[in-house]
Amino acid sequence: DAGVIQSPRHEVTEMGQEVTLRCKPISGHDYLFWYRQTMMRGLELLIYFNNNVPIDDSGMPEDRFSAKMPNASFSTLKIQPSEPRDSAVYFCASSLAGGKNIQYFGAGTRLSVL
Amino acid sequence: GESVGLHLPTLSVQEGDNSIINCAYSNSASDYFIWYKQESGKGPQFIIDIRSNMDKRQGQRVTVLLNKTVKHLSLQIAATQPGDSAVYFCAESRLSSGSARQLTFGSGTQLTVLP
Repeated sequence: DAGVIQSPRHEVTEMGQEVTLRCKPISGHDYLFWYRQTMMRGLELLIYFNNNVPIDDSGMPEDRFSAKMPNASFSTLKIQPSEPRDSAVYFCASSLAGGKNIQYFGAGTRLSVL
Repeated sequence: GESVGLHLPTLSVQEGDNSIINCAYSNSASDYFIWYKQESGKGPQFIIDIRSNMDKRQGQRVTVLLNKTVKHLSLQIAATQPGDSAVYFCAESRLSSGSARQLTFGSGTQLTVLP
C-alpha cells in the first residue's frame, strides 16, 4: 500500500494567489481529514469527510479555505486568496470506519506564502 | 476548555537508555489515546494506542501507561536508538459527529538521542 499521497510536497506562492493542495487517501478508507501544523498552534483539524461528504468543517479558519472530495480517491484543499499567515504544513490523513478508526497521515505539503 | 498537553517540550537521552515521554489530558470522558511519532519532514506515524479501560499496553520496544486518576499518559521507549529521534505526540481520540474518531493532539515532545 502506498499510503496517503499528498502533492505538491512544497509550494511557494505570493500573497493573493490561489493555492490548491491535493490528497489521495489509502484505498478503501472512508474517512479523510485535513490538518494544518504550525509551531504556534500545533496540529489542528480543519475538516473531515465521510464517504466523500464533508462532516465537520468547524476548523476551517476562514471562507478563503475550501475543501472538496469529488470521489473516494481524491480530495483538494484550496486557499484563495492566500495570505502569509497561511504558511504552514498541511497534512491529509485517512482512516477506516469502525473500531479504532486509526488515522494514517501523508507526508504533508509545506506551504510558504510570501 | 478541554485540552491535551505535554509536560516537556524537549528530551535528550543517551543511546541505549530508556526514554519516558509524558502527556497530560483534561477530558475525563476520553476513552482512547494514541501516540504518534513525527520525523523531520514527514507526517505523524502511528506508534501505539490504548483504551481507557486499560492501564498498560506494550508494543515492540514501546509501552504506553495510562493513569486515569491523574489523567496522565506516558510513552516508554526501551533501549532508545538514533532512529527514535523525532517529535512524539499524544492524541486524545473521541467519537464525533459522523461516527469518526477525531484526534486532538498535544503540543509534542522533541526526543533527541545522543550518541
